[in-house]
Amino acid sequence: GAVVSQHPSWVICKSGTSVKIECRSLDFQATTMFWYRQFPKQSLMLMATSNEGSKATYEQGVEKDKFLINHASLTLSTLTVTSAHPEDSSFYICSASYAGGYYNEQFFGPGTRLTVL
Amino acid sequence: TQLLEQSPQFLSIQEGENLTVYCNSSSVFSSLQWYRQEPGEGPVLLVTVVTGGEVKKLKRLTFQFGDARKDSSLHITAAQPGDTGLYLCAGHSNSGYALNFGKGTSLLVTP
Repeated sequence: GAVVSQHPSWVICKSGTSVKIECRSLDFQATTMFWYRQFPKQSLMLMATSNEGSKATYEQGVEKDKFLINHASLTLSTLTVTSAHPEDSSFYICSASYAGGYYNEQFFGPGTRLTVL
Repeated sequence: TQLLEQSPQFLSIQEGENLTVYCNSSSVFSSLQWYRQEPGEGPVLLVTVVTGGEVKKLKRLTFQFGDARKDSSLHITAAQPGDTGLYLCAGHSNSGYALNFGKGTSLLVTP
């Protein structure tokens, strides 16, 4: 149980284009979803927290107009990187938790590798 | 932000050896989780510890939560090449759902 999927697993795009990444909880209702980014050989950095049906809360230094997060249902959250640039190239990982879960455990997706040319 | 310091940052050992990874903070955490991450994949939850002094075992892995809930350790007995990966500790503060991650320990176990 508690499986989270991400799509696509990797994407290559040209500078200036927008890219959408989907995060789905497959066997549970995710009341809260989180988006992280990870640079090579570094740890995960939280970008934003989203609750179903409400606006995402962004961490300091994360541009909300650049990284658009939508959590329209209890099983789907999307991250759209708008006007992507090479410095946005990274590994993006989502996670999800559910109300009443054991100490708010988060279950992670497999990640999406974004390369901006 | 509550910081978690992990040590060592890198560890290269031979199969069969034992090792310990540490996760320390000056802050108290309501719970602390250990993850293992392989290259190109998302982190996989290994264990959650919640009680000060708690010890949990997962086959050859032993996890301990400090009495004051500020630190934790992961001990691996008789390491195997399949244990290779990035080990991350992460803690929940009392105030919220967000996880604070340590920088990770990159473990390489060679045959």
